[in-house]
Amino acid sequence: SAVISQKPSRDICQRGTSLTIQCQVDSQVTMMFWYRQQPGQSLTLIATANQGSEATYESGFVIDKFPISRPNLTFSTLTVSNMSPEDSSIYLCSVEPARTYGYTFGSGTRLTVV
Amino acid sequence: GESVGLHLPTLSVQEGDNSIINCAYSNSASDYFIWYKQESGKGPQFIIDIRSNMDKRQGQRVTVLLNKTVKHLSLQIAATQPGDSAVYFCAAYDQAGTALIFGKGTTLSVSS
Repeated sequence: SAVISQKPSRDICQRGTSLTIQCQVDSQVTMMFWYRQQPGQSLTLIATANQGSEATYESGFVIDKFPISRPNLTFSTLTVSNMSPEDSSIYLCSVEPARTYGYTFGSGTRLTVV
Repeated sequence: GESVGLHLPTLSVQEGDNSIINCAYSNSASDYFIWYKQESGKGPQFIIDIRSNMDKRQGQRVTVLLNKTVKHLSLQIAATQPGDSAVYFCAAYDQAGTALIFGKGTTLSVSS
């Protein structure tokens, strides 16, 4: 299965600032997925990132707040913009290397906004 | 809209007991289901999956049961161990078949 490296693993940020999270995969994948996991909650899909096209955002998430880049088949970034304490969550990158095993997840970025 | 949910937020068992974690889903067109385990500070990890053409699948100490009639699946863990303590999520693909929708999660606590 794919190995995902996600950076940073955690950060504490001031409100009003932005943080860019990086996701690197050890193999080429068509789609990369970004999830948010609020404290004690389940995973909510933010957007799907395809290489060479704009990301597709789920209801409740907008590009201005969560811009995504996908410059090649092994890398993606998610930016959390103009942060507020409500953005404090774990942000997870995932890929689907083969339909047989669902998604593989990175270890996540634990973001705290103060 | 589509939803995937679990019945109980927490489950506490003794080491050696069998654990059963339940999940209900709403999309009758879902054809693939996955159980994930998430330990503290880590991303979810694949445990076992099942396709809609099956009603039971077994792995090492884990069994998944699927009842399509009532849109329910369960994860059974045999001889539960302290290392099984984690949050367990069921997940199913959305109607488009591209994105995984996750249930709310059950926290399993195993005491020795």
